[in-house]
Amino acid sequence: GAVVSQHPSRVICKSGTSVKIECRSLDFQATTMFWYRQFPKQSLMLMATSNEGSKATYEQGVEKDKFLINHASLTLSTLTVTSAHPEDSSFYICSAPRGYTEAFFGQGTRLTVV
Amino acid sequence: EDQVTQSPEALRLQEGESSSLNCSYTVSGLRGLFWYRQDPGKGPEFLFTLYSAGEEKEKERLKATLTKKESFLHITAPKPEDSATYLCALQGGSEKLVFGKGTKLTVNP
Repeated sequence: GAVVSQHPSRVICKSGTSVKIECRSLDFQATTMFWYRQFPKQSLMLMATSNEGSKATYEQGVEKDKFLINHASLTLSTLTVTSAHPEDSSFYICSAPRGYTEAFFGQGTRLTVV
Repeated sequence: EDQVTQSPEALRLQEGESSSLNCSYTVSGLRGLFWYRQDPGKGPEFLFTLYSAGEEKEKERLKATLTKKESFLHITAPKPEDSATYLCALQGGSEKLVFGKGTKLTVNP
């Protein structure tokens, strides 16, 4: 079964509103989680590293004020897309490493901004 | 800069026709080479992690191998349910994974 749970799996929102996506590690603690974005037929692009108890680390070109990350506990990280616009429509995926040998991904969230 | 290149971009096989997918990489200090399977509209599903040249891992019809420059994912006697995009990812000096663009595998019955 899934070891990383992400929801919602799909969300449609109006332009200008905010959307929150949750990522939970189910049977292990994750001090670090990662948030990716994937465009159609493209690979996963790392957006940011979520660190429990401290600020997230954002990749170059990713707006931290637009993509708010909160790592509230050792099993939960959230990504909030603020003031969403149609260009933010994409597939967002989280991942959590378990030990040094495995890295598991959530089911992904398809965001559509209309 | 750590880089991952996967080939081919797409591969069509007949059921039972074995083949291999390639993942070439450059890295300064390899911590791990990961293989994932991704179905449309889903998150990647973990398959294997390889750590050192010469290492091999198997799972059902899949076998992953690693050299100092590349990794192969061998698929033996594939079935239509093996159709998916297979992703290779590199872990270098940090916990971050650098992904290739993937190989889309289609297995026809």
